[in-house]
Amino acid sequence: NAGVTQTPKFQVLKTGQSMTLQCAQDMNHNSMYWYRQDPGMGLRLIYYSASEGTTDKGEVPNGYNVSRLNKREFSLRLESAAPSQTSVYFCASSERGGVSTDTQYFGPGTRLTVL
Amino acid sequence: AQSVTQLGSHVSVSEGALVLLRCNYSSSVPPYLFWYVQYPNQGLQLLLKYTTGATLVKGINGFEAEFKKSETSFHLTKPSAHMSDAAEYFCAVSAHRDNYGQNFVFGPGTRLSVLP
Repeated sequence: NAGVTQTPKFQVLKTGQSMTLQCAQDMNHNSMYWYRQDPGMGLRLIYYSASEGTTDKGEVPNGYNVSRLNKREFSLRLESAAPSQTSVYFCASSERGGVSTDTQYFGPGTRLTVL
Repeated sequence: AQSVTQLGSHVSVSEGALVLLRCNYSSSVPPYLFWYVQYPNQGLQLLLKYTTGATLVKGINGFEAEFKKSETSFHLTKPSAHMSDAAEYFCAVSAHRDNYGQNFVFGPGTRLSVLP
């Protein structure tokens, strides 16, 4: 099992450019998440998908869109990148969704720089 | 609403010394508490979690944490630090949210350095 995989690992964008971060999991998990990690702030939830076909906003959704393509894949899109979106982005998944005791499994992250 | 504070953004210990990383939380509902570790240039992985039952929880790599409701704390300890323990450690509280299910609230993290 590869667990949670993310592509790309690194990306540099210019302000205004768009891009999509890809995430896939092979654990047959129902729920998937996108977080951003900024120094001194821990991880903050951007979007969440409880199951295939559903998505919901998290704490910091502005400037992002998501697609739950199927049960395995959950992508994050930046339509018009801004320097404030420079961050490390993590995808995660959990088995059941909506269950507070579930463990979340994280991908290796995408380091994004917006110039 | 839930929140997590971690005292000390950076902790240094000598190899073989006790590791103590502090976590305090606030929660309006019974909390489910987690410790995650992040090694350099990697994603987060679960160290241990408290859900119900025994308040002393043992995790991987010799770490343990104790849930103390009266102190709203969930401090992480390891009796003897190893060089390989150098990493960033995140405490998190999990809560069920009506709108979108499980939501983790992470603390800001504590970077642990282990000195030879």
